[in-house]
Amino acid sequence: EDKVVQSPLSLVVHEGDTVTLNCSYEVTNFRSLLWYKQEKKAPTFLFMLTSSGIEKKSGRLSSILDKKELFSILNITATQTGDSAVYLCAVYNNNDMRFGAGTRLTVKP
Amino acid sequence: DAGITQSPRYKITETGRQVTLMCHQTWSHSYMFWYRQDLGHGLRLIYYSAAADITDKGEVPDGYVVSRSKTENFPLTLESATRSQTSVYFCASSDLRTPQPQHFGDGTRLSIL
Repeated sequence: EDKVVQSPLSLVVHEGDTVTLNCSYEVTNFRSLLWYKQEKKAPTFLFMLTSSGIEKKSGRLSSILDKKELFSILNITATQTGDSAVYLCAVYNNNDMRFGAGTRLTVKP
Repeated sequence: DAGITQSPRYKITETGRQVTLMCHQTWSHSYMFWYRQDLGHGLRLIYYSAAADITDKGEVPDGYVVSRSKTENFPLTLESATRSQTSVYFCASSDLRTPQPQHFGDGTRLSIL
């Protein structure tokens, strides 16, 4: 059965720290991997990754995909309290999109 | 403002009742989706639609009905609500050419007593 596993489940850091969130997957017919940020309400789309080794970057956030080892990482540098959220990873194959359970990041002042 | 809106934001009902959750988007995106989010399960796809009058089942479609007569609306109906359908429901849309949600509504918190 297809699955997406995120780690850690939760993480507490202080402002200024750098964090790495992990997403591993086992899906048939992989097409893409997506990252979202969910604060109190709706998930917000961050990145879509389709090719191995190509880093996607947006400000302090970056992500990369390894299709050989079947995982992706999301890096956040110089964390701020506004980065506190649940970060969701999702993997799309030809028919379906599976979400991981998310990593809850808390950034303390 | 352009965007995706869900209504109601909160709903409490009883088992056996019919409930309809509304979703409206102003972008004219082709794809629309319904997800439910439960602790321990993350987001799970209920149904999605590639265009008006085209709908497909997702991971957990049982007990739900959708329709899409107009591109901008994608209502979700629980025909006979059960307690296991208590959840937060998110509608989403996408202008990508594949069914990968980009924009989510703020969610409907549904409680079934």
